[in-house]
Amino acid sequence: QVQLQESGPGLAKPSQTLSVTCTVSGGSISTSENYWSWIRQPPGKGLEYIGYISHTGNTDYNPSLKSRVTISADTSNNQFSLKLTSVTAADTAVYYCARDRGWGFFDYWGQGILVTVSS
Amino acid sequence: DIVMTQTPLSLSVTPGQPASISCKSSQSLLHSDGKTYLYWYVQKPGQSPQLLIYELFRRFSGVPDRFSGSGSGTDFTLKISRVEAEDVGVYFCMHGLHVPRTFGQGTKVEIK
Repeated sequence: QVQLQESGPGLAKPSQTLSVTCTVSGGSISTSENYWSWIRQPPGKGLEYIGYISHTGNTDYNPSLKSRVTISADTSNNQFSLKLTSVTAADTAVYYCARDRGWGFFDYWGQGILVTVSS
Repeated sequence: DIVMTQTPLSLSVTPGQPASISCKSSQSLLHSDGKTYLYWYVQKPGQSPQLLIYELFRRFSGVPDRFSGSGSGTDFTLKISRVEAEDVGVYFCMHGLHVPRTFGQGTKVEIK
């Protein structure tokens, strides 16, 4: 059974960098054709796709966030991470990590972590 | 980006009665491989989203058969044949044709 768990600071200051890590258990992030993804949800609102890192280390991002986003992987710890630079209050959201089996098939999700952008 | 539009945005249903949610995409989700990459997810109160339906009509493991997906091209429907109390939540459609995946606004289903 694959499990994902987000972790990181729950607060980020405006103009600084938001960082969140997803730890995966029950399966390796570097095997089989999976796309380890980040999705966010502002409080009371809908879902926004951020991007992914593949099992081979390839990345792809939502163009609306591309200039500010980096997704990276630490295979030794079976983790992948999200960094979002130059944050504003509009980046306040619950950040979810999820496994995409391809074509949007998100079968496992983390429980989400609320990150608030505030001074 | 593909725009996904859901209607209605909220639905109040008597237990045992059917419910239907519509989703329209701004372009066809039919791929040249013959599959339609339309998904339905539900987010139950206080939980993460979970997969219900994939590739237009296929139920994910463990999803009751009272849930069904249908449609073609740009018009899609999620039907619940007999709503139960545990079906309360927000239902999202999503396309998986390419990045970025985009979601509908969500339909909140409540029990009368």
